[in-house]
Amino acid sequence: DIQMTQSPSTLSASIGDRVTITCRASQSLNNWLAWFQQKPGKAPKLLIYKAFNLEGGVPSRFSGSGSGTEFTLTISSLQPDDYATYYCQQFNSQSYTFGQGTKVEMK
Amino acid sequence: QVQLQESGPGLVAPSETLSLTCTVSGASVSYGSYHWSWIRQPPGRGLEWIGYFHDEYRVRYSPSLQSRVTISLDTSRTRLSLNVNFVTAADTAVYFCAVYTTGESGRGYWGRGTLVTVSS
Repeated sequence: DIQMTQSPSTLSASIGDRVTITCRASQSLNNWLAWFQQKPGKAPKLLIYKAFNLEGGVPSRFSGSGSGTEFTLTISSLQPDDYATYYCQQFNSQSYTFGQGTKVEMK
Repeated sequence: QVQLQESGPGLVAPSETLSLTCTVSGASVSYGSYHWSWIRQPPGRGLEWIGYFHDEYRVRYSPSLQSRVTISLDTSRTRLSLNVNFVTAADTAVYFCAVYTTGESGRGYWGRGTLVTVSS
């Protein structure tokens, strides 16, 4: 069973800041990784699929990178609508585990 | 446009069975290859993947829930079901259904979720 370790758990940032969230897997994912954004009371929204592909309609300030066991979600310039919780999810094994989540809050 | 809607009892007694249905509308998911999934989120906590139904030969569950969970899909591919046996307060959560496009690593559709509380 692949374990996903996401960091940090909480991140304080201001508008315009560059934000980086990391997800580490216990074994190689072959880029089978997605990033989701979730706001309170809502279903998760896909941002990035297959590690670095931007989902349609998602602003270009979001980007994904990495390979193997370490992956990163970057927000190049934080906007007010980006305050939310972010999750990675792996699709390489038969268990599609999530990371623990990163809450991006206002500094 | 594909829409998913979860339904079922909002309150379940401890040691009973939690049963939910996800009704899918939109012709595009009647064909093609998908992983029909359930995910849950306890209040104030993170997302937990429960399992998926791909076809009759490929049904997978989270190791931590495997002994108590059953996921099935009807033959029309419009109703996805979840049963969780012997529930406790730890099973209180918002339950989401999601249909992932196979091989697309996260692309697909999500329901809005339904809150299930386990309490006597």
